[in-house]
Amino acid sequence: KNEVEQSPQNLTAQEGEFITINCSYSVGISALHWLQQHPGGGIVSLFMLSSGKKKHGRLIATINIQEKHSSLHITASHPRDSAVYICAVRRYNTDKLIFGTGTRLQVFP
Amino acid sequence: EAGVTQFPSHSVIEKGQTVTLRCDPISGHDNLYWYRRVMGKEIKFLLHFVKESKQDESGMPNNRFLAERTGGTYSTLKVQPAELEDSGVYFCASSQVRASRSYNEQFFGPGTRLTVL
Repeated sequence: KNEVEQSPQNLTAQEGEFITINCSYSVGISALHWLQQHPGGGIVSLFMLSSGKKKHGRLIATINIQEKHSSLHITASHPRDSAVYICAVRRYNTDKLIFGTGTRLQVFP
Repeated sequence: EAGVTQFPSHSVIEKGQTVTLRCDPISGHDNLYWYRRVMGKEIKFLLHFVKESKQDESGMPNNRFLAERTGGTYSTLKVQPAELEDSGVYFCASSQVRASRSYNEQFFGPGTRLTVL
């Protein structure tokens, strides 16, 4: 079993829908990252969280440290949001990241 | 300010050949990380430099992989000799060194896609 699990693995949505991607982890962490990778593109950091909630435009990320769970929400989804979204955690007292397998999101017009 | 850059963007080599990947971190970032994604799997950590020193190389798969960061600036990752299972995308990331690890956001390069035939 991976130390970081994401769900769903694949997600399709109609433009305008509210989207939630979940991430659960089984290790103690100092931070959690949400990353985005467009087809053929590099990895972009969306959020880095150690507690609570962060918002950037239509993206919201939350984390519950006690439950070892984080969610990434996209409001009013758009086709340009189509990408792979990756959850990664930094295990407590290390610098290396442990990655989930990613969630492939496709938003259709 | 330039982001993390990697060269080449793609490399196709035959089994048994040698390939060297290069990563230029963001200027002033002492932390440099190498990661790899093989087909269908999650991205995995390879190693971590702080300046020119290897802080953690626990993810290096075997001794065919050699990473260097002479002078603490750019880094190279050499695969010699390459095997079929080395195919994948190699990512580099960099971050500043801060007292609190919680704030060490890592910035990723575009990756090098390596194909071993």
